[in-house]
Amino acid sequence: DAKTTQPPSMDCAEGRAANLPCNHSTISGNEYVYWYRQIHSQGPQYIIHGLKNNETNEMASLIITEDRKSSTLILPHATLRDTAVYYCIVRPYSGGGADGLTFGKGTHLIIQP
Amino acid sequence: NAGVTQTPKFQVLKTGQSMTLQCAQDMNHNSMYWYRQDPGMGLRLIYYSASEGTTDKGEVPNGYNVSRLNKREFSLRLESAAPSQTSVYFCASEDREEYEQYFGPGTRLTVT
Repeated sequence: DAKTTQPPSMDCAEGRAANLPCNHSTISGNEYVYWYRQIHSQGPQYIIHGLKNNETNEMASLIITEDRKSSTLILPHATLRDTAVYYCIVRPYSGGGADGLTFGKGTHLIIQP
Repeated sequence: NAGVTQTPKFQVLKTGQSMTLQCAQDMNHNSMYWYRQDPGMGLRLIYYSASEGTTDKGEVPNGYNVSRLNKREFSLRLESAAPSQTSVYFCASEDREEYEQYFGPGTRLTVT
């Protein structure tokens, strides 16, 4: 069973904020929300993670709803280099262990010039 | 600081041939992983190693063996390659403080 649900694709204009939604209605109390992205043909790249508070780093912001059933990744000023597949993953904060990271199909974000 | 490196970048094998994919990390991480990615799909875990000398099977281990040679290196071996193993293989290591995984550039393997 999929733990997360994401739209298969999204477009965003260059320079605008890209908002990528993720539903994780069955998230457990000890599970964090992680976001990774994969630029074509490259290995996945870690972006950000959070438990229940909003988080921000140099790449993005993560907004998690109060009930923790959904979240939004925000790329504040999208560039063409942000075109990639974005994966929302929930996992316990004790590492993946033998479960690793469970990648779904993610959202293919296309930044338009 | 090279991060996670993988060799080779590309490989073509005939059915039944064997090969070893090499992975090394210089971030002093304990945990390392091998994933495969088929076209249009997400990554699937093949094997996992929590530390030197320990390995565990992941979701799709059949047809593969692994070796955690030391803390830095984690190799993946195909003893008798099959066309179904045509895929892109990614190695990753995991930071034990924030549990972020760092991925290598991948090995693109074709089995004919």
